Amino acid sequence: DPKIIQKPKYLVAVTGSEKILICEQYLGHNAMYWYRQSAKKPLEFMFSYSYQKLMDNQTASSRFQPQSSKKNHLDLQITALKPDDSATYFCASSQEQANSDYTFGSGTRLLVI
Amino acid sequence: QQQVRQSPQSLTVWEGETAILNCSYEDSTFNYFPWYQQFPGEGPALLISISSVSDKKEDGRFTIFFNKREKKLSLHITDSQPGDSATYFCAASEAGGADRLTFGKGTQLIIQP
Repeated sequence: DPKIIQKPKYLVAVTGSEKILICEQYLGHNAMYWYRQSAKKPLEFMFSYSYQKLMDNQTASSRFQPQSSKKNHLDLQITALKPDDSATYFCASSQEQANSDYTFGSGTRLLVI
Repeated sequence: QQQVRQSPQSLTVWEGETAILNCSYEDSTFNYFPWYQQFPGEGPALLISISSVSDKKEDGRFTIFFNKREKKLSLHITDSQPGDSATYFCAASEAGGADRLTFGKGTQLIIQP
């Protein structure tokens, strides 16, 4: 059974629309993260949460808003979508914030047209 | 400026040979270096990691060699198997400090039977 569930697996969105990417982890971890993987770019850190609190934000745009309704949930809301937002978005978790041994989900592949 | 660099971008070796993947970094505050393995359509999975107090870490067929003075490390995969064909990412973080990982662009490894 997958330990980190990301939904949906694939997503096609129209420019200007809003989407929410879902992430749930069943590892009992206390820290959760979002990373983005664009074509020909390294995996890029976006956000980190620890015990449902935002710890670090490396995303310049306020169009990206993480939402943590439960300890094991960290969703990502993206508003006013642009074609440049097209990427695979990975959710990850670790036991604690200072532990860099991540478990990644399988990703949500977003295409903005 | 790319903080973590990997080479080669792509590598093909024959089954049974040793594959050598290289990584270098810029930031002297990095002290923890995990390697992740990613298969198509999946998220990265932690393979092996090393902290800057060690110069070698071995786990089965996978070995990391670390040179702190030169800010370089390498991943050696001995007795390569077709199932090792994947993309390998070198990453870096400040363990115990900032929790985010900085990734390289990856090396695509192909093992020819």
